[in-house]
Amino acid sequence: AQKITQTQPGMFVQEKEAVTLDCTYDTSDPSYGLFWYKQPSSGEMIFLIYQGSYDQQNATEGRYSLNFQKARKSANLVISASQLGDSAMYFCAMREVKYSGGGADGLTFGKGTHLIIQP
Amino acid sequence: DADVTQTPRNRITKTGKRIMLECSQTKGHDRMYWYRQDPGLGLRLIYYSFDVKDINKGEISDGYSVSRQAQAKFSLSLESAIPNQTALYFCATSDYTDFQETQYFGPGTRLLVL
Repeated sequence: AQKITQTQPGMFVQEKEAVTLDCTYDTSDPSYGLFWYKQPSSGEMIFLIYQGSYDQQNATEGRYSLNFQKARKSANLVISASQLGDSAMYFCAMREVKYSGGGADGLTFGKGTHLIIQP
Repeated sequence: DADVTQTPRNRITKTGKRIMLECSQTKGHDRMYWYRQDPGLGLRLIYYSFDVKDINKGEISDGYSVSRQAQAKFSLSLESAIPNQTALYFCATSDYTDFQETQYFGPGTRLLVL
């Protein structure tokens, strides 16, 4: 089973509209972190936002917010007032904290959503 | 200056050749990672290192080896390159501060194996 599922391969959105990118995850660990990254056509990976599993409030960073629904294992990214420069691939990722194994083992990524903002 | 740098940025090689991808960081982080990205897929973990003496295999380590020469340097080697190792390779470092973790990625190395 996939640990990170992004069900929207591609999205077209009008400029200035809000965008919600879906992400569901699968883990049995009580402690984990969820990340969103943006990858423009130039290829670099840009960190957007982080949500820890014990965080009580949804994370926000400027125009980005993370709609964290723990019981549903959902971590959707919301971009408010979209801009042309938001056109890119967006990846959801998870880091599980494995206490039995001695710690971190990197991020597990979804397959991404290709977001295109139209003028 | 970039905090995480990768060299080379682009590389074309032939099947069977040994190549090394290098990563350097100025962030002072102990944790470093190598990922690969194939078209239409997210990133997958190759190797990770908690410090100079602690190196671990990731999801797809077969055909790769790594060396952590110093806290700031983490190199990835392909001992005998094959065409299905054609991909975009990322190095990353990790920091955990104030209950927030961030992984900082380098700019990537585009590798083509002919």
